[in-house]
Amino acid sequence: DQQVKQNSPSLSVQEGRISILNCDYTNSMFDYFLWYKKYPAEGPTFLISISSIKDKNEDGRFTVFLNKSAKHLSLHIVPSQPGDSAVYFCAASLGGGFKTIFGAGTRLFVKA
Amino acid sequence: EAEVAQSPRYKITEKSQAVAFWCDPISGHATLYWYRQILGQGPELLVQFQDESVVDDSQLPKDRFSAERLKGVDSTLKIQPAELGDSAMYLCASSPGQETQYFGPGTRLLVL
Repeated sequence: DQQVKQNSPSLSVQEGRISILNCDYTNSMFDYFLWYKKYPAEGPTFLISISSIKDKNEDGRFTVFLNKSAKHLSLHIVPSQPGDSAVYFCAASLGGGFKTIFGAGTRLFVKA
Repeated sequence: EAEVAQSPRYKITEKSQAVAFWCDPISGHATLYWYRQILGQGPELLVQFQDESVVDDSQLPKDRFSAERLKGVDSTLKIQPAELGDSAMYLCASSPGQETQYFGPGTRLLVL
């Protein structure tokens, strides 16, 4: 039972264009959502998060959108850079970091 | 910048042997997590500690896995006996009590 789904295993984008990574969840009790980025041979690193009381959070080139009615969130990267090439994980928790569940990840390739 | 330390980075063992992984969280972080990540999947929570207490071990295969955090600082995850299906990356993360988790580099386990 996958409570957090990232349906696109990979995404390829041209440098300078927008990258949009999607994530769906099934548990309406999740109240906090996070995106992590992972390079090979390293642990995931925190990128950006959003509370369920908001529908948008922005940090530089990264913006996360939350649509609670659709149980969907997305990560927008504008403009995309070759250094953004990595695996991106969506995660959701019940609050306070409890019961954190990760999606399977989306591998982003940004072509120069 | 403070980091989560894990050792060893790589471990090769034969099935039925015992293995142990060590994690030293960022100083002052009360919450510690152990995850297992199988290739092509997202991290799966095995156990969550708050100080020295287990707050969630519902996904920990308790017949062979054990975890402890005796003094509420560093932690050990043990597998005995190891099985072929245990081959994976074992990630440790810590948090100061907020949502964001800080991950170590992981221990890659190969069971032959």
